[in-house]
Amino acid sequence: GIQVEQSPPDLILQEGANSTLRCNFSDSVNNLQWFHQNPWGQLINLFYIPSGTKQNGRLSATTVATERYSLLYISSSQTTDSGVYFCATNRDDKIIFGKGTRLHILP
Amino acid sequence: NAGVMQNPRHLVRRRGQEARLRCSPMKGHSHVYWYRQLPEEGLKFMVYLQKENIIDESGMPKERFSAEFPKEGPSILRIQQVVRGDSAAYFCASSRGLAPNEQFFGPGTRLTVL
Repeated sequence: GIQVEQSPPDLILQEGANSTLRCNFSDSVNNLQWFHQNPWGQLINLFYIPSGTKQNGRLSATTVATERYSLLYISSSQTTDSGVYFCATNRDDKIIFGKGTRLHILP
Repeated sequence: NAGVMQNPRHLVRRRGQEARLRCSPMKGHSHVYWYRQLPEEGLKFMVYLQKENIIDESGMPKERFSAEFPKEGPSILRIQQVVRGDSAAYFCASSRGLAPNEQFFGPGTRLTVL
């Protein structure tokens, strides 16, 4: 089945720093989503981005479907950005998640 | 405009008891998905349902687990004779079922088996 790999697994940054999270997938996909799971466990939809680039405030994402990867950029990070970031893609209507990048922003 | 709702948010059961988890999809969504998240791991697909139909249950354990989405009321994930290994967060997602079929997640139910 399709594999979704994320890197790095863990990331510790000082508040204000920028970061790039990567998601590689093993097969061509029709769509890709990025989620943020906050420290309270809630999953928040960040981007639905099968291809191209989208921006929402300090966050942006780019998916290059032909090369099978997606990037999530976080600029001027804040402590509230802490949590786990998952990328996920659909396969036969079920989402397949990567293992996530655990981000910790230090004040 | 309420999002996906799940209850209870926390559930504690002793080994051998039954656990019932409920999920109400977003308004206008008729497709429901259940996922399980073990500690420090990503979410794993369990089952996909539409009203009164199970579409895909390939991720569901063969024994003790069942799911339904009746014509009226919420979707129910039922775990019989729970064991400690069932302790996890169970998330429900819903979608319109039409392309692009973006799924939106509920807050999850955290099941602890003593």
